Amino acid sequence: SYELIQPPSVSVSPGQTASVTCSGDNLGDKYVCWYQQKPGQPPVLLLYQDNERPSGIPARFSGSNSGNTATLTISGTQAMDEADYYCQTWDTITGVFGTGTKVTVL
Amino acid sequence: QLQLQESGPGLVKPSETLSLTCTVSGDSISVNTYHWGWIRQTPGRGLEWIGSVHYTGTTYYKSSLKSRLTMSADTSKNQFSLRLTSLTAADTAVFYCARQSGSYLVSESYFDYWGQGILVTVSS
Repeated sequence: SYELIQPPSVSVSPGQTASVTCSGDNLGDKYVCWYQQKPGQPPVLLLYQDNERPSGIPARFSGSNSGNTATLTISGTQAMDEADYYCQTWDTITGVFGTGTKVTVL
Repeated sequence: QLQLQESGPGLVKPSETLSLTCTVSGDSISVNTYHWGWIRQTPGRGLEWIGSVHYTGTTYYKSSLKSRLTMSADTSKNQFSLRLTSLTAADTAVFYCARQSGSYLVSESYFDYWGQGILVTVSS
């Protein structure tokens, strides 16, 4: 079955840039979306179709997807960005979530 | 504002069947470009897509759950439902319902609205 692998954790200093990767076979041929989840809350859609932001999502969140890797970039990271982040794609009509990355703002 | 609310039992015995319902308010489930999905989350397995349903009755499921899973949509009640049989402790999770939006094409869709989730514990 198709798998999406993310690093378990990423640390970043406030104001710096954080990058979260998501790896899967030929992932660049598929659309990727990203979700942010804070403790005790449901996930929130951050990006869809690789790099589109829903209304209300700050511009500091951006994405790219090429080859076997999709990347979520958080520019000018803020303390409020500390959360778990998940990538997600579709393998034909099967939904696949990434393993998740905990972003810590030190 | 679209809202989704999961309902169902919080505790189910092993080998029994789980039935969950998601009630949608603020929009109709009978929109061609929407599908409606179920996702569960456990501490050890992260987020796991379970399956999705279209208001027309089209369904698609995670292959490993297909033999135990049934989803349906009730347009008259603006609800969609999940039925999972032969439960084991491994099915203990928070279950979320979500709107799958963006396109009728599944490959272009994404989960843009989520319910708050319901914790289901499988235990005797």
